[in-house]
Amino acid sequence: AQKVTQAQTEISVVEKEDVTLDCVYETRDTTYYLFWYKQPPSGELVFLIRRNSFDEQNEISGRYSWNFQKSTSSFNFTITASQVVDSAVYFCALFTTNAGKSTFGDGTTLTVKP
Amino acid sequence: GAVVSQHPSRVICKSGTSVKIECRSLDFQATTMFWYRQFPKQSLMLMATSNEGSKATYEQGVEKDKFLINHASLTLSTLTVTSAHPEDSSFYICSARGQRGGSTTGELFFGEGSRLTVL
Repeated sequence: AQKVTQAQTEISVVEKEDVTLDCVYETRDTTYYLFWYKQPPSGELVFLIRRNSFDEQNEISGRYSWNFQKSTSSFNFTITASQVVDSAVYFCALFTTNAGKSTFGDGTTLTVKP
Repeated sequence: GAVVSQHPSRVICKSGTSVKIECRSLDFQATTMFWYRQFPKQSLMLMATSNEGSKATYEQGVEKDKFLINHASLTLSTLTVTSAHPEDSSFYICSARGQRGGSTTGELFFGEGSRLTVL
């Protein structure tokens, strides 16, 4: 069985603060992919990043960065200098080739106040 | 990049009618498509997985006669909500996984979602 846990249901920060969204996953498969998606109020899912299980390199893309640690089964997402437009629900997801399907966390609602 | 298009984005129908939602992969061959349902302020719940040319595999608790899924081609999958009732009102999202450049990617591409309201 596979599982994704996003322990933070809601986070509220003030603009320009840094914020980290946690994601912990469970799987017995050795080959898997981890994703982060953003869902703004309009509802569509916006792809942010994909990481495969063999690539533990952390990644930075502008104000976004991701910390993948297999030892703790975590794939955390940090937004630096948050902006109001970052307000959205963020989902972490796990896809395993054996199962052939994705499992989503419950999502973290991020509110960035001006 | 790859694009998955979903149509319609919003649909309102009367109770008892059937509604069809289309999911198209625009620039790649989608060998597998997934249909999700999302209730307000909740996560995405996988309803079914469909592989091109074969019957969809439904998740436990999902009525296959209620939610008909067809994946007749490598670029199109449809979800038909039959005899819709108000409790079927939800946000339905498709995603596709396919082959680009000869290799199967683990990346999933999502449609924009379809909001169904049954009166």
